Amino acid sequence: EAQVTQNPRYLITVTGKKLTVTCSQNMNHEYMSWYRQDPGLGLRQIYYSMNVEVTDKGDVPEGYKVSRKEKRNFPLILESPSPNQTSLYFCASSLSPIIPATSPPRQYFGPGTRLTVL
Amino acid sequence: KNEVEQSPQNLTAQEGEFITINCSYSVGISALHWLQQHPGGGIVSLFMLSSGKKKHGRLIATINIQEKHSSLHITASHPRDSAVYICAVKVIQGAQKLVFGQGTRLTINP
Repeated sequence: EAQVTQNPRYLITVTGKKLTVTCSQNMNHEYMSWYRQDPGLGLRQIYYSMNVEVTDKGDVPEGYKVSRKEKRNFPLILESPSPNQTSLYFCASSLSPIIPATSPPRQYFGPGTRLTVL
Repeated sequence: KNEVEQSPQNLTAQEGEFITINCSYSVGISALHWLQQHPGGGIVSLFMLSSGKKKHGRLIATINIQEKHSSLHITASHPRDSAVYICAVKVIQGAQKLVFGQGTRLTINP
């Protein structure tokens, strides 16, 4: 089954304790992205990756790191989490958006990770 | 002013009604997405448009590039259509970023 998986689904942690949220897709997609969703602010893009070893900042990259060593995985790293990073996080993947196609590629979303930083 | 504006923010209707959700944007785009977020939080991509119109079952999405406007229509609405519908645009300037609207919360009453 084609899917994007995230782990953990729920996490409560404390300020300053490094954490990693994993994201994996089994569709051989080039493009992967991380979003956060906050009440009143909607979804905002944190980082995205066009392919292995290629990552770029989205709209709200501060306090986050990512890596793309393999095509299927795109972990989100919070080196020193703070309470303002409490949010619902989504990972997504798609075929490359820059390869000409008859239609823009569909994005597949993971189930979300609810993070609380105390 | 947000680059992507949706209207209405909240919409309550009776089962069977024809639903329209609007999305206006102020930037040049290469594509527009309509997403559905279920009450449990999961997000599903409904449509990706770069021009014209697309139809899938009871859902229809249209886009007018000149007017920078897209609409999502639901025919014969059903309570299971209750969700948040989110418009997102791929900005045309270089980076492959998505910019999202605030979402429209749709409630269909039986």
